[in-house]
Amino acid sequence: NAGVTQTPKFQVLKTGQSMTLQCAQDMNHNSMYWYRQDPGMGLRLIYYSASEGTTDKGEVPNGYNVSRLNKREFSLRLESAAPSQTSVYFCASSGDSGNSPLHFGNGTRLTVT
Amino acid sequence: AQTVTQSQPEMSVQEAETVTLSCTYDTSESDYYLFWYKQPPSRQMILVIRQEAYKQQNATENRFSVNFQKAAKSFSLKISDSQLGDAAMYFCAYRNYGGATNKLIFGTGTLLAVQP
Repeated sequence: NAGVTQTPKFQVLKTGQSMTLQCAQDMNHNSMYWYRQDPGMGLRLIYYSASEGTTDKGEVPNGYNVSRLNKREFSLRLESAAPSQTSVYFCASSGDSGNSPLHFGNGTRLTVT
Repeated sequence: AQTVTQSQPEMSVQEAETVTLSCTYDTSESDYYLFWYKQPPSRQMILVIRQEAYKQQNATENRFSVNFQKAAKSFSLKISDSQLGDAAMYFCAYRNYGGATNKLIFGTGTLLAVQP
């Protein structure tokens, strides 16, 4: 009954460091997403993947890269972290129908100093 | 581009009372989906309710119901008999009709406090 699993839960980076946020889902969903949440701005889409092997940019993709390793896993990489990337990051997955809700992971709180 | 607006950054309600959270959206599409999500302090995002635009009947889930006004592009959430556990951030979201590849667009959220 895991749903969407995100790691790590918390991370502190120094400016210029890199890291990868991991995400895996066990619901056999084709669509997966990465969002960031900032105070007063709601959730903004960084990247999404409609199926294994495909990725597409969302609203705020600059400074990020993604990999859809297989159907289960969708990782988000920060190559050179900046203070502006301090945020809470959510991974989500969804069934194929448009009325399918997003199932979210528990989020990663990232602080870049 | 579609946008979602939640004009109430914060709301407060007494326990057992009813509260309505507002949401408006802008779209030129005739078919789409609307969602309300709840985010308690645990940070988990939880689906509260969803509505298909082609359905005239307002969706209801236990104490949660929506007032969907398609012409006005309004999608408010009514919480009846408010409970302390309803205290959370609430997000309204929009998705174009079609598959899940259409992006879910979120509003900025309304923080609901429930007073005992």
